Amino acid sequence: ETGVTQTPRHLVMGMTNKKSLKCEQHLGHNAMYWYKQSAKKPLELMFVYSLEERVENNSVPSRFSPECPNSSHLFLHLHTLQPEDSALYLCASSQGPDNTGELFFGEGSRLTVL
Amino acid sequence: KNEVEQSPQNLTAQEGEFITINCSYSVGISALHWLQQHPGGGIVSLFMLSSGKKKHGRLIATINIQEKHSSLHITASHPRDSAVYICAVLDTDKLIFGTGTRLQVFP
Repeated sequence: ETGVTQTPRHLVMGMTNKKSLKCEQHLGHNAMYWYKQSAKKPLELMFVYSLEERVENNSVPSRFSPECPNSSHLFLHLHTLQPEDSALYLCASSQGPDNTGELFFGEGSRLTVL
Repeated sequence: KNEVEQSPQNLTAQEGEFITINCSYSVGISALHWLQQHPGGGIVSLFMLSSGKKKHGRLIATINIQEKHSSLHITASHPRDSAVYICAVLDTDKLIFGTGTRLQVFP
C-alpha cells in the first residue's frame, strides 16, 4: 500500500467510448503525475500537476484530458481512443513537481482499446 | 540509443543466488532511482541516490557518477524478489526511465 489508489484496475473500451481513470493520494503531496507504460518501452510522462495546476503536458494527444480538482485527486478522461493507446496508465505523487523527492506510484490502470 | 540503458533485460536465478542489475546513463544527473514493479503493475521506490552506496535489507544500490553507472544488488535472492527493476535518472527536473530488467527467481 503506497498511499496512491487508482481505479479501475482494468478497463476495456471501444474506440467511440468515453471513460475516466481516477487517482487518489492520501500522502499530503503537492504534485501528481500520469505516466503511460507500453510493452517493452520506458515509462512516458504524460502530465504533471502541482497544486492543482498543470505544469507539464508532454505533447499528449487531446483524446487524453487530465483533470485535477484538488491536490488529492487526479483524473484522466479518455475519449475516441485508438488501439495503440492500450497500455498501463500509472498515477504517481510526490512532495514537489521537480522530481527531487521520492515518487509514490499507484497500482496502475490497465487499459485495452478494442 | 536510450539515454538510460539497463542490463540484462531478463534474468533468471535460483533462490539464494546473488543478483546484480546494471544501469548506465549518458546524461548528467543529480540523482538516480531504483524502482521495483510487481506483476500486477504497481511500482515501489527502492532507492534514490546521488553518490556512493545505500543498503536496505538484502538490497544494495551503488552509483559511480564519474563512470555514469549504477548497480542494484540482491543478496540471498528469493522468489518474492521476482519483479521488473527499473532505473530512472534525474536530469535537471526531468526523470528518464530505463526499460527495466525482468528478474525471475525460482525456488
